Amino acid sequence: AQSVAQPEDQVNVAEGNPLTVKCTYSVSGNPYLFWYVQYPNRGLQFLLKYITGDNLVKGSYGFEAEFNKSQTSFHLKKPSALVSDSALYFCAVRGGGYQKVTFGTGTKLQVIP
Amino acid sequence: EAGVTQSPTHLIKTRGQQATLRCSPISGHTSVYWYQQALGLGLQFLLWYDEGEERNRGNFPPRFSGRQFPNYSSELNVNALELEDSALYLCASSHGPGAGTDTQYFGPGTRLTVL
Repeated sequence: AQSVAQPEDQVNVAEGNPLTVKCTYSVSGNPYLFWYVQYPNRGLQFLLKYITGDNLVKGSYGFEAEFNKSQTSFHLKKPSALVSDSALYFCAVRGGGYQKVTFGTGTKLQVIP
Repeated sequence: EAGVTQSPTHLIKTRGQQATLRCSPISGHTSVYWYQQALGLGLQFLLWYDEGEERNRGNFPPRFSGRQFPNYSSELNVNALELEDSALYLCASSHGPGAGTDTQYFGPGTRLTVL
């Protein structure tokens, strides 16, 4: 069965500092990996995805993620955090065909001014 | 381009009643997904419809059901409501899985409260 782990319930970072939100996964076959962000009382917004190709994926709002096959990780990163980045971040994975997408439990990012 | 829309925004029901939630996908998308987001429990997968057929189902009882219409919009029905069904129900849409571009785009959700 496929699974996603987001080991940190909350990440605190000072504004202007680099941020990392961690994600590891387990799936049969080649993974499709996604990051989403959720602002309070709103739906999820797509940030970026990895399907194949370059291990460093660039997405919306200056975010990027690095796919590491040997460590089965897909960590979300940003070089310089903004207060407006404070939100709930979800990592997700699925295999091929009609396998469902599995979401992690989410990591709350708090950027401190 | 219009995003995923859901109705109603809020729904208040009492135990034992039935709730119907609706979702309209982004134009051109054939897949619709339903998720339950209860407080503190993350996103739980409910149902996946593509081209009018149910393609996958999460670990929910049969009183959670749905359907997809020929125009690809979808309904989620919850029968015999229980207090623990209170949650934000999110709908997402995407191109079909064979397209290689099946990123899910989410609607704003329906907040269901069961009293």
